[in-house]
Amino acid sequence: GAVVSQHPSWVICKSGTSVKIECRSLDFQATTMFWYRQFPKQSLMLMATSNEGSKATYEQGVEKDKFLINHASLTLSTLTVTSAHPEDSSFYICSAGRLAGGADTQYFGPGTRLTVL
Amino acid sequence: DQQVKQNSPSLSVQEGRISILNCDYTNSMFDYFLWYKKYPAEGPTFLISISSIKDKNEDGRFTVFLNKSAKHLSLHIVPSQPGDSAVYFCAASGSGGSNYKLTFGKGTLLTVNP
Repeated sequence: GAVVSQHPSWVICKSGTSVKIECRSLDFQATTMFWYRQFPKQSLMLMATSNEGSKATYEQGVEKDKFLINHASLTLSTLTVTSAHPEDSSFYICSAGRLAGGADTQYFGPGTRLTVL
Repeated sequence: DQQVKQNSPSLSVQEGRISILNCDYTNSMFDYFLWYKKYPAEGPTFLISISSIKDKNEDGRFTVFLNKSAKHLSLHIVPSQPGDSAVYFCAASGSGGSNYKLTFGKGTLLTVNP
């Protein structure tokens, strides 16, 4: 158990367009989902925490109007990169929190490679 | 301010030997620690975790040790296999209900040579 999927796995778009990335927990319900961004050869950078039915909590320096997060159900969260620019090109990874062994563990999706031309 | 540190960016080990990956943290509020394995262009895979009430947790070839007084944890892989070659991230979480937020180290690239 604890499988998280992301769609699409990769996307190429033109500058100025918007891109939506879906994150789904396939075999468990996740009250909380997280969105990360990873630059080459660097660690995962938390962008925002997404709670089902409420507004996302964004980390410092992350533009909430640019990275729209919707957590519509206990198994689905979406990240929309609005008016994408080349500097938004990155590897975006989501995770879903699940209680395991008495403690919360995050299970990660496979990631989405975004390339903005 | 880096609250979770993995000071070795890379580690090379011979197949069959022990791999020891280290992690230090500075925030005394952290009470849950996890190790993830990551291949390029993939999401991290959860390996093993440990709560601050324990000092050791074992799962097959993987053992995590926690030294709270030193704010140090380590992941031991025995015996190491070529398929273990990946980047290993240490992560920490604070206490409190639904506070899942993880702070990650920068990762250590493990290479297991046949």
